[in-house]
Amino acid sequence: AQSVTQLDSQVPVFEEAPVELRCNYSSSVSVYLFWYVQYPNQGLQLLLKYLSGSTLVKGINGFEAEFNKSQTSFHLRKPSVHISDTAEYFCAVSGNRGSGGSNYKLTFGKGTLLTVNP
Amino acid sequence: GAVVSQHPSWVICKSGTSVKIECRSLDFQATTMFWYRQFPKQSLMLMATSNEGSKATYEQGVEKDKFLINHASLTLSTLTVTSAHPEDSSFYICSAREWYQETQYFGPGTRLLVL
Repeated sequence: AQSVTQLDSQVPVFEEAPVELRCNYSSSVSVYLFWYVQYPNQGLQLLLKYLSGSTLVKGINGFEAEFNKSQTSFHLRKPSVHISDTAEYFCAVSGNRGSGGSNYKLTFGKGTLLTVNP
Repeated sequence: GAVVSQHPSWVICKSGTSVKIECRSLDFQATTMFWYRQFPKQSLMLMATSNEGSKATYEQGVEKDKFLINHASLTLSTLTVTSAHPEDSSFYICSAREWYQETQYFGPGTRLLVL
């Protein structure tokens, strides 16, 4: 079984400030990790994913995340945010290919609402 | 690439009627599709997983006779909410993945309001 904890339900920041959205996970098997963004009344868009290899992954819109196995974390960062980054951000985990996959079912965190103010 | 569409984007129906929601993968073959439900300001709750040509696997607590899922082709899955009631009002989102992909791609969602 897996679980995901997003430590902050809301993160308000000013435009052009840096931001970090925190995500910790728990799993008994090796995992794949994902960050998705959801704009109001829309589906989820993939920001980035960690499957293997380099622990620093870069995604769309200037976002990046770092996988830390020892701390079981996958925090999302952006050095300078824009008003248009205002959205709900979801961290998700699935078992990896070697763990039996199970259709790669995702377990989501509760989400972090990022609000960028002018 | 990896575009998933849903239809309709929103639907209003009367209590007791059935509503069908379509989920299509537009540029890849979706061997597995997932259906989620999302309540306002909450996370996504997985309802069921369907593999093309097989019966859907429902998560614990999800009534399979109420939420009928059909995944008859590699590009189309449907969710039918039977005898809908106001408590079924929600945002329904589908996702899809191809057999070799680890990543799920999400549709834009369907907002259902049952009066």
